Amino acid sequence: NAGVMQNPRHLVRRRGQEARLRCSPMKGHSHVYWYRQLPEEGLKFMVYLQKENIIDESGMPKERFSAEFPKEGPSILRIQQVVRGDSAAYFCASSRRGVEGANVLTFGAGSRLTVL
Amino acid sequence: AQTVTQSQPEMSVQEAETVTLSCTYDTSESDYYLFWYKQPPSRQMILVIRQEAYKQQNATENRFSVNFQKAAKSFSLKISDSQLGDAAMYFCAYRTNTGTASKLTFGTGTRLQVTL
Repeated sequence: NAGVMQNPRHLVRRRGQEARLRCSPMKGHSHVYWYRQLPEEGLKFMVYLQKENIIDESGMPKERFSAEFPKEGPSILRIQQVVRGDSAAYFCASSRRGVEGANVLTFGAGSRLTVL
Repeated sequence: AQTVTQSQPEMSVQEAETVTLSCTYDTSESDYYLFWYKQPPSRQMILVIRQEAYKQQNATENRFSVNFQKAAKSFSLKISDSQLGDAAMYFCAYRTNTGTASKLTFGTGTRLQVTL
């Protein structure tokens, strides 16, 4: 029973390039969350998605960032025209259903983005 | 907006001893969850323990227990009989139990060192 799978684990991009981070939730989980962790900081919520729907994107920067969770395949966090300030660890988490009640999030190991 | 504060950037404990990590939070809500997550060098976020705000009894999980003081908005983590494998970053997190209930708000973390 594989956990939340994120790839790549490490990604290096030059300023202005695009970064795509993938997340496959745990089997049976249909809710996906993306968090960002800047160096020496806690995780910050970015976006919450269900299959083909964005439920809450209040933590997403207004420009250059987008996320999707298609009917088939992994969830994708896309960062266009990356800048050095985008360098961070990006974590994906999943849950079986909405986090109402006692459901907890299962986190992936994160993808570390370095922008040169 | 909810905030979570961890005032101890670093803590150290000797093996087999007990250590307490502090966490305070600010919220106007009465129904919420609190969590402690562990992040070892592998960066994987691992749930340590959770507490439901409406439960007066403090949560315990083996060597881990919490001291939940709702009126004081305090949620400390006690680790008993510390082991070398407990060395990690520890994050306190808050989650509302209303609305979309999707976001975890994290503190900035406490780095725990375990010495021989």
